[in-house]
Amino acid sequence: TQLLEQSPQFLSIQEGENLTVYCNSSSVFSSLQWYRQEPGEGPVLLVTVVTGGEVKKLKRLTFQFGDARKDSSLHITAAQPGDTGLYLCAGGGSGGSNYKLTFGKGTLLTVNP
Amino acid sequence: DVKVTQSSRYLVKRTGEKVFLECVQDMDHENMFWYRQDPGLGLRLIYFSYDVKMKEKGDIPEGYSVSREKKERFSLILESASTNQTSMYLCASSVPRNNYGYTFGSGTRLTVV
Repeated sequence: TQLLEQSPQFLSIQEGENLTVYCNSSSVFSSLQWYRQEPGEGPVLLVTVVTGGEVKKLKRLTFQFGDARKDSSLHITAAQPGDTGLYLCAGGGSGGSNYKLTFGKGTLLTVNP
Repeated sequence: DVKVTQSSRYLVKRTGEKVFLECVQDMDHENMFWYRQDPGLGLRLIYFSYDVKMKEKGDIPEGYSVSREKKERFSLILESASTNQTSMYLCASSVPRNNYGYTFGSGTRLTVV
């Protein structure tokens, strides 16, 4: 069974601070996705990374896939209250189950004004 | 805008009732999924379907069944609701190809009393 561990579980910061969220596994994934979920809503896909070492930027968010495709990080620069939410990473399998994702338990981020 | 629509945002049911949760997607996706989300446990896969009338058990199928008679509709059935099935239920859909993300519905908050 593939597992994804996210850290930290909770993060509360002030507006303008930088932060990094981590997603780690002992398994290799074909891709790594990040979702953000706001209270009372379903998760929304932010980005997919597929190549080891790949870095993608989405405005103030930077996503990196580890060289060995076992881990990923999400860095937010100058966090804003609108960044508040649950951040989930999800790993894509390989072979016949490649359409099923393995989800981490999430990092709950609160950005205080 | 592409959508996954869950029929109810909030439901309150009594113990022992048969409960139907409906999910409809308008993206012609082959794959559809039902998850439940609980604090501290993350998203847990209940069932998924990769084609009409096809289904596979996820990680926690006990007490649930599903139906997919049409490509766009995937129903989750709680045969006899119990209090430990109180949860947030999320439906998602995707194409059956690697590295593609899921589109989630807004969720149904089910309370069994």
